[in-house]
Amino acid sequence: DIQMTQSPPSVSASIGDRVTITCRASQGIGIWLAWYQQKPGKAPKLLIYSASSLQNGVPVRFSGSGSGTDFTLTISSLQPEDFATYYCQQAHSFPLTFGGGTRVDVK
Amino acid sequence: EVPLLDSGGGLVQPGESLRLSCVASGFTFSVYDMGWVRQAPGKGLEWVSSISGSGLNTYYADSVMGRFTISRDNSRNMLFLQMNSLRAEDTAVYLCADMAAVTTAVYWGQGSQVTV
Repeated sequence: DIQMTQSPPSVSASIGDRVTITCRASQGIGIWLAWYQQKPGKAPKLLIYSASSLQNGVPVRFSGSGSGTDFTLTISSLQPEDFATYYCQQAHSFPLTFGGGTRVDVK
Repeated sequence: EVPLLDSGGGLVQPGESLRLSCVASGFTFSVYDMGWVRQAPGKGLEWVSSISGSGLNTYYADSVMGRFTISRDNSRNMLFLQMNSLRAEDTAVYLCADMAAVTTAVYWGQGSQVTV
């Protein structure tokens, strides 16, 4: 199975900050990576697919990059509605696997 | 957006069975690959199973292989997860999702609580 490791587990940030979350795959997955946002008590929301493609309706302050084993989700200017937990997920092969999540909270 | 409504969760004893349902509306259900993802209390996301639009191809996590069965009824726009031999570690919120290429969850239901 492909292991997905996210870092950091949590980050404290202020409105307007640039936030970067990394995700590392235990083996190469090309660009087959998705990023999700989840708020407490809510279903996750797809932000990025194919490592860098922005899902319809997602603000452009979210961006993804990377290929192979190392990936990054960047929020260019943190907004109040962005405080949430973020997960990466490899879509390269079964079983599909998620990273452990990164919680973004108020500094 | 793809409206999805999960149902069928509940409280069961270890070893018992439960069937989850997910009904979709407002789109051609049969062309969408679908799947289930679960989230144990206070934990992260765990993929459970995926199924192709035709229903011919199914995929399972090792943790549920042989105990859970995913299926769909395209005539009723419904997705199912039959869960047998339930264990305490299966306790979670189960979310159905529209899975692009059976691998990426685009739209999600609101989730059903399963407690074992």
